[in-house]
Amino acid sequence: SAVISQKPSRDICQRGTSLTIQCQVDSQVTMMFWYRQQPGQSLTLIATANQGSEATYESGFVIDKFPISRPNLTFSTLTVSNMSPEDSSIYLCSVEEKDMRDTEAFFGQGTRLTVV
Amino acid sequence: LAKTTQPISMDSYEGQEVNITCSHNNIATNDYITWYQQFPSQGPRFIIQGYKTKVTNEVASLFIPADRKSSTLSLPRVSLSDTAVYYCLVIVGSYIPTFGRGTSLIVHP
Repeated sequence: SAVISQKPSRDICQRGTSLTIQCQVDSQVTMMFWYRQQPGQSLTLIATANQGSEATYESGFVIDKFPISRPNLTFSTLTVSNMSPEDSSIYLCSVEEKDMRDTEAFFGQGTRLTVV
Repeated sequence: LAKTTQPISMDSYEGQEVNITCSHNNIATNDYITWYQQFPSQGPRFIIQGYKTKVTNEVASLFIPADRKSSTLSLPRVSLSDTAVYYCLVIVGSYIPTFGRGTSLIVHP
């Protein structure tokens, strides 16, 4: 199973600043996914990141606000730009693996962001 | 995309069997049904996946009727540590859809 490391685990940021979240996977994966989970809510997919191409964003999310890098098959970053208190949330990266039986998604521990 | 509907919350007691049912009326032929568990301050964790009939692993069982329009996650003899949010997802191939609201399970002593 894939092991995902996310950094930072938490941060408190001033409004108007930007934060870059890093996601490192211990194996090569084609697609990486970034989710947001607002307090008490479910996970919402922000974008899908493929190596060598621009990320594909879901409705309501744009590249200028959430730029994503995917320089290789084991690493990705998500930047939350020009932050406001509404961006306070948990951000998670995810990858999937298929074996003979299942397709499983594996998640990082998440980055808890508080914007003040 | 197949939309899922599940109860918002459930309560149980230690040692009981818990069954959480999920409706997915628009499930397509190629869709698989997958359940995840999420503890506070952690990312979701895969529990079980199935296509039809019954699937069992060391953690849970998944029951899927012939029409596949619903599925039931069964947790045998729950303990306090099973208190978590449980998400039912319908997955097509390698596409991961948006999570539904999930079911918040609280296990009482």
